[in-house]
Amino acid sequence: EAGVVQSPRYKIIEKKQPVAFWCNPISGHNTLYWYLQNLGQGPELLIRYENEEAVDDSQLPKDRFSAERLKGVDSTLKIQPAELGDSAVYLCASSLVATGELFFGEGSRLTVL
Amino acid sequence: TQLLEQSPQFLSIQEGENLTVYCNSSSVFSSLQWYRQEPGEGPVLLVTVVTGGEVKKLKRLTFQFGDARKDSSLHITAAQPGDTGLYLCAASNTGKLIFGQGTTLQVKP
Repeated sequence: EAGVVQSPRYKIIEKKQPVAFWCNPISGHNTLYWYLQNLGQGPELLIRYENEEAVDDSQLPKDRFSAERLKGVDSTLKIQPAELGDSAVYLCASSLVATGELFFGEGSRLTVL
Repeated sequence: TQLLEQSPQFLSIQEGENLTVYCNSSSVFSSLQWYRQEPGEGPVLLVTVVTGGEVKKLKRLTFQFGDARKDSSLHITAAQPGDTGLYLCAASNTGKLIFGQGTTLQVKP
């Protein structure tokens, strides 16, 4: 069974440019999460979806970040415009049920110059 | 705001030593998870504890959930270089899973 797939693995952009990350969760997992992780730190939740509904986006900086999960499967996370402080790893995870075991992708490492 | 505090933040030990990592909070949780993350990878679940006082063993790793379900510990016996990584605790009691800040473990051969 395929795991959570994320792309791109690495992205280097200049500040003020837009960037988008894509996530394909494990088949059948209704809950999808986007986390931000800084080096050596724990993941911080950005947004959680139940099917296509964003049920927790309280930590998403909505002035520059947006996310969508059309049809309740794949999801994209967008940053526009990117700032230097957005440099981090963006992790996507999915689970069968909320608070159950999370299965993470390998992450997308963003560097903003 | 629910917070999970992990200690120590960094740990560098020699192969064969024992160690304990702690995860503490002032909140009560219905369950607590421990994850391990290697560089360039996503976290991988090690164990879930749900009952106060519960002890689970996974080879050389022993996990304990506090009686009051507010804290947990991870003990590694005879650490190996392959145990090197970032250890994360995660917990929820409102449907929102939060992570501790992590403990970076380095086991030197």
